[in-house]
Amino acid sequence: DVKVTQSSRYLVKRTGEKVFLECVQDMDHENMFWYRQDPGLGLRLIYFSYDVKMKEKGDIPEGYSVSREKKERFSLILESASTNQTSMYLCASSPHTGRSYNEQFFGPGTRLTVL
Amino acid sequence: GEDVEQSLFLSVREGDSSVINCTYTDSSSTYLYWYKQEPGAGLQLLTYIFSNMDMKQDQRLTVLLNKKDKHLSLRIADTQTGDSAIYFCAESYSGGYQKVTFGIGTKLQVIP
Repeated sequence: DVKVTQSSRYLVKRTGEKVFLECVQDMDHENMFWYRQDPGLGLRLIYFSYDVKMKEKGDIPEGYSVSREKKERFSLILESASTNQTSMYLCASSPHTGRSYNEQFFGPGTRLTVL
Repeated sequence: GEDVEQSLFLSVREGDSSVINCTYTDSSSTYLYWYKQEPGAGLQLLTYIFSNMDMKQDQRLTVLLNKKDKHLSLRIADTQTGDSAIYFCAESYSGGYQKVTFGIGTKLQVIP
């Protein structure tokens, strides 16, 4: 059974703290993604990675960075957390499929609250 | 740029059919998807359609694609309470790194 796991389901941090969100997939997928989900705004792509040590900015990268040192692990870093980063964070992975359809597999999400 | 639009909320009675609509703007979209998100969970692919198809049926699910109007719909027949979830329309094109653009999600409420 394919699996994407995220290190925490719920996280509470204080403004200014450095926050690490970890995501691990066991499907040997090349692509990994970080989204945030907010009511009325849907999913917005923060960063994605198509290979180890490679990263690409998504639609809303400001205030975030990422790290992909191993194929199975993709970390999202909030360098200095702010209250407007309170959100649900979803990690996803997908294989390189060439010209075929692209199914993304999602983790259960981390609900981050920044006080 | 890419944009996917869908309504926020739909309420139906158990046993009725549900129709969730979506419009998209990127004419180069190759695949269109419907994802389902149950409460407290991540998204899960429900079904997809290739852009050269008009319709796809999978048990209680029917996907209709009007490429001229860039309109996608998902019909759920005999809607059950277990169908209550958020449904996301999404698009991608082949090539590149297979980035997928998601709509904001339609929350389907099924009334017993």
